[in-house]
Amino acid sequence: QAVLTQPASLSASPGASASLTCTLRSGLNVATYRIYWYQQKPGSPPQFLLRYKSDSDYQLGSGVPSRFSASKDTSANAGILLISGLQSEDEADYYCMIWFNSAFYVFGSGTRLAVL
Amino acid sequence: QVQLQESGPGQVRPSETLSLTCSVSGGPIGDYYWTWIRQPPGKGLEWIGNVFKSGNSFKNPSLKSRVEMSLDTSNNQVSLQVNSVTAADTAIYFCARSLSTSVTYPFYWGQGTLVTVSS
Repeated sequence: QAVLTQPASLSASPGASASLTCTLRSGLNVATYRIYWYQQKPGSPPQFLLRYKSDSDYQLGSGVPSRFSASKDTSANAGILLISGLQSEDEADYYCMIWFNSAFYVFGSGTRLAVL
Repeated sequence: QVQLQESGPGQVRPSETLSLTCSVSGGPIGDYYWTWIRQPPGKGLEWIGNVFKSGNSFKNPSLKSRVEMSLDTSNNQVSLQVNSVTAADTAIYFCARSLSTSVTYPFYWGQGTLVTVSS
């Protein structure tokens, strides 16, 4: 079972909100992890969006619009990237990442967001 | 403005060593964590490892035995070597820098360089 699981794709309408989930493997407690989110557009390197552990341990990347935010769903053991007021430019791949076993970073498999 | 530029041979033969360099401008490399990430064409990101000036490094366990990373502070370059490559090592390789010395996650990224493993 993968450490981090993300849905392969998600679609949403312009102006709507999109919630992208990053589910931690059973046995891992999402509450104890700081989750990092990256956006990658075709032909470009990933861009850091934000990191979130709790409302008091949260950092939005410089220049990243406040339309991007994060939270956790502890009942689902998942981190959530919320994008509000979707724009066509938000169409991209989104990756979550955690520092695992105090030893190395792990990326999720990524979610391709379509803004239709 | 920090700029990172990866370079290296576009093609490597199976069983040989892949060697890449990340040339850095806009600040000394010694004050940050440097990370290598790769992405097979059309696939997701894989964290390879990171290195700090103290020589501390962390590596993905799946690659640990084949990976070496180093800093060349005199030339402001970061290096990656992957030994005994196979077709599965074909990927775009990115170098990335941490935002500060107090954090380790990749923040600034290079554009990446494609390495194909083929005879």
